[in-house]
Amino acid sequence: GAGVSQSPRYKVAKRGQDVALRCDPISGHVSLFWYQQALGQGPEFLTYFQNEAQLDKSGLPSDRFFAERPEGSVSTLKIQRTQQEDSAVYLCASSFHHGAGNTIYFGEGSWLTVV
Amino acid sequence: RKEVEQDPGPFNVPEGATVAFNCTYSNSASQSFFWYRQDCRKEPKLLMSVYSSGNEDGRFTAQLNRASQYISLLIRDSKLSDSATYLCVVTLGRNDMRFGAGTRLTVKP
Repeated sequence: GAGVSQSPRYKVAKRGQDVALRCDPISGHVSLFWYQQALGQGPEFLTYFQNEAQLDKSGLPSDRFFAERPEGSVSTLKIQRTQQEDSAVYLCASSFHHGAGNTIYFGEGSWLTVV
Repeated sequence: RKEVEQDPGPFNVPEGATVAFNCTYSNSASQSFFWYRQDCRKEPKLLMSVYSSGNEDGRFTAQLNRASQYISLLIRDSKLSDSATYLCVVTLGRNDMRFGAGTRLTVKP
């Protein structure tokens, strides 16, 4: 597609429910990132993939958060047993190659509300 | 202390005004620097990269001072369409991007 595509755009989950958020990066992009953006804050890094390899998951806030990119294209961010503090926008971004200075492109985000 | 700190804002300015945003970063190993723009309920989009020599793109001028670990963005002749949140971004390499909390700008007629 022309840009990074994320689904669902909006998700309301009951506390304790598991959710899965999908990201379709720009075709051919090697690097894929997940960010979490709380209201009034900047995006916070969660995890980074280069192709199918998860090279950095240091930003995942707890072991309830899990991300995968099994074939090096589509990625899924899974949140188990959601809590209210998980309410945020989850942004996926991709870039053609790794390396500082490469432009990354964001999707519109998945807006998660945990009630 | 947050890795990237920005003026909290909000900035409310009239059309045609000049406005400046500041940003400081804590990690001296930071390699690349950017300003992103984020409209309400939209994704961040790259506005411009920031170079040590300073760079200009139309009405926008960005400056980097590595010694002081300071980045700035100047917007001249503000337009209504400039209303957005401006995010200061530094990378530590391998696209490890760290965002500031953003500065909100509202340009009024």
